[in-house]
Amino acid sequence: AQSVTQLDSQVPVFEEAPVELRCNYSSSVSVYLFWYVQYPNQGLQLLLKYLSGSTLVKGINGFEAEFNKSQTSFHLRKPSVHISDTAEYFCAVIKEYGNKLVFGAGTILRVKS
Amino acid sequence: DTEVTQTPKHLVMGMTNKKSLKCEQHMGHRAMYWYKQKAKKPPELMFVYSYEKLSINESVPSRFSPECPNSSLLNLHLHALQPEDSALYLCASSQNPGETQYFGPGTRLLVL
Repeated sequence: AQSVTQLDSQVPVFEEAPVELRCNYSSSVSVYLFWYVQYPNQGLQLLLKYLSGSTLVKGINGFEAEFNKSQTSFHLRKPSVHISDTAEYFCAVIKEYGNKLVFGAGTILRVKS
Repeated sequence: DTEVTQTPKHLVMGMTNKKSLKCEQHMGHRAMYWYKQKAKKPPELMFVYSYEKLSINESVPSRFSPECPNSSLLNLHLHALQPEDSALYLCASSQNPGETQYFGPGTRLLVL
């Protein structure tokens, strides 16, 4: 079965600084990878996804992620964060041809002014 | 458009009540999902409907009863819930099973 590890439970960062949220996965088969964002008291919004092709994936709100198969990682990056990026971010994986999305524990990004 | 709607936004119910949560999508998606999310935790899968048939039940207690009346609607019927069932209930849909899931805003349930 596949699993997801988000290495940081909280990441504090100053406004306009770059940020990286780390995600590692384990699976014995090919997988698809996703990052979702959850603002307080809201549902999950899809930020970006990797299905196949280019390993650098661009998403909404200036975020991007890079799929690294050898390191089984899918880290999320943003070159300059805003206060409005404060939220919880979930990495998720689903195996190819599967139908069960498995989430990491989440990383709370706190952007300080 | 990737909108999934859920009603109600908030629900308070007693342990003897019967209530239902509703989820709707008009994207022609053929898979729909129910998740439960406790505070400070990731969503946990409860049920998956594929082509209007229940395909996954993650050993959810029978006090939760899902229903898929048609390809656009997904209900979750609640009966005799416990206070520990208080959580955010999220619905999601995908074009087909295993494809990108789009989530609704959730129903925040409080069981007294």
